[in-house]
Amino acid sequence: QKEVEQNSGPLSVPEGAIASLNCTYSDRGSQSFFWYRQYSGKSPELIMSIYSNGDKEDGRFTAQLNKASQYVSLLIRDSQPSDSATYLCAVNILEYGNKLVFGAGTILRVKS
Amino acid sequence: GAVVSQHPSWVICKSGTSVKIECRSLDFQATTMFWYRQFPKQSLMLMATSNEGSKATYEQGVEKDKFLINHASLTLSTLTVTSAHPEDSSFYICSARDRVFDNEQFFGPGTRLTVL
Repeated sequence: QKEVEQNSGPLSVPEGAIASLNCTYSDRGSQSFFWYRQYSGKSPELIMSIYSNGDKEDGRFTAQLNKASQYVSLLIRDSQPSDSATYLCAVNILEYGNKLVFGAGTILRVKS
Repeated sequence: GAVVSQHPSWVICKSGTSVKIECRSLDFQATTMFWYRQFPKQSLMLMATSNEGSKATYEQGVEKDKFLINHASLTLSTLTVTSAHPEDSSFYICSARDRVFDNEQFFGPGTRLTVL
């Protein structure tokens, strides 16, 4: 089982809709969770971090964490074509020290 | 805040030459820096972890004598690709962990290396 799993997509949503991106992880002891956005040909950009169970909102983005289910998600409200990118879920896996382990990423396409 | 720079942004070199890539944290001190490589349409691959003042820790399968890493200060790490070959052509990205906000990791803009 991979440490951090994401559906590769592509996930296609119409402009203005809610995009829901999901991620599961294997290490129950993980405490830190991150979502990065990566445009084609560019480096990843940190958009959300979450450490506690529940929801964390920042503008159009909401991160949701459920440690019991080992599940973290990212919701993007009012999706825009400029949100089209690959979204990477990253988790601090304790057995690997303090390194981030990245999922393979989900490609999001927002169609106008 | 939390800006990481990389230089150069792209480089083209001949096979057999060495290339040095610099990674700097501009507005924070980085206890740890990481070096990643990414091939087209593939995920990030961690190459090594670099701590200021100590030797880098390389991931399995990464040749430490080929990819030399120096982390001379809390704001600068360098990656030198020695005797580069066409198969080393890739997108090299560094990231830095903020000494204060230890959990957050910020990426540089990346360096695209093409070896002819």
